[in-house]
Amino acid sequence: KQEVTQIPAALSVPEGENLVLNCSFTDSAIYNLQWFRQDPGKGLTSLLLIQSSQREQTSGRLNASLDKSSGRSTLYIAASQPGDSATYLCAVAMTTDSWGKFQFGAGTQVVVTP
Amino acid sequence: ETGVTQSPTHLIKTRGQQVTLRCSSQSGHNTVSWYQQALGQGPQFIFQYYREEENGRGNFPPRFSGLQFPNYSSELNVNALELDDSALYLCASSLAAGQNYGYTFGSGTRLTVV
Repeated sequence: KQEVTQIPAALSVPEGENLVLNCSFTDSAIYNLQWFRQDPGKGLTSLLLIQSSQREQTSGRLNASLDKSSGRSTLYIAASQPGDSATYLCAVAMTTDSWGKFQFGAGTQVVVTP
Repeated sequence: ETGVTQSPTHLIKTRGQQVTLRCSSQSGHNTVSWYQQALGQGPQFIFQYYREEENGRGNFPPRFSGLQFPNYSSELNVNALELDDSALYLCASSLAAGQNYGYTFGSGTRLTVV
């Protein structure tokens, strides 16, 4: 059974510092991994999707890496801003059939202080 | 595009009662997934509907049931409510049950069972 874990559960950094968020999974036979952002009272927004054959994906200040063999993914957010304050969740899909039936971690709550 | 709309936004029910939550998919989307997110946890997959048929179910008891209508809006019904059913319920819709299409999440319905 796949277990997705995110450590730490919460993180507070001053503005301008780089953020490093971790996600680990127990079954390395994933189809892909996705990072989401969740703001209070709002739905989830997809940030980056990494296919199992890829090592990393980048979008603006965001970079996500994937190491399937060790069961880890890391989300890097460069030069953090107060607007980056949110909960960040990682989610895996195990097969093409499980697309949309994601298995999520519990998330890391991030606070960026001005 | 109006996005994914969920109703109601908040709801309080008594243990043992029944509840119906509604989701209006983004225009043109024929696939919807439902998730339960307990406080401090990641979303847990409940079930998915594709073109009015159930297309996969997570580890939830039969008292959690769903329906998708010809216009692709959907409902989540929960019978015999328990205190542990208190959670944020999220729906997410997609153009089709395939990997090439992203999912748009609604803001959720906050259910409290007392």
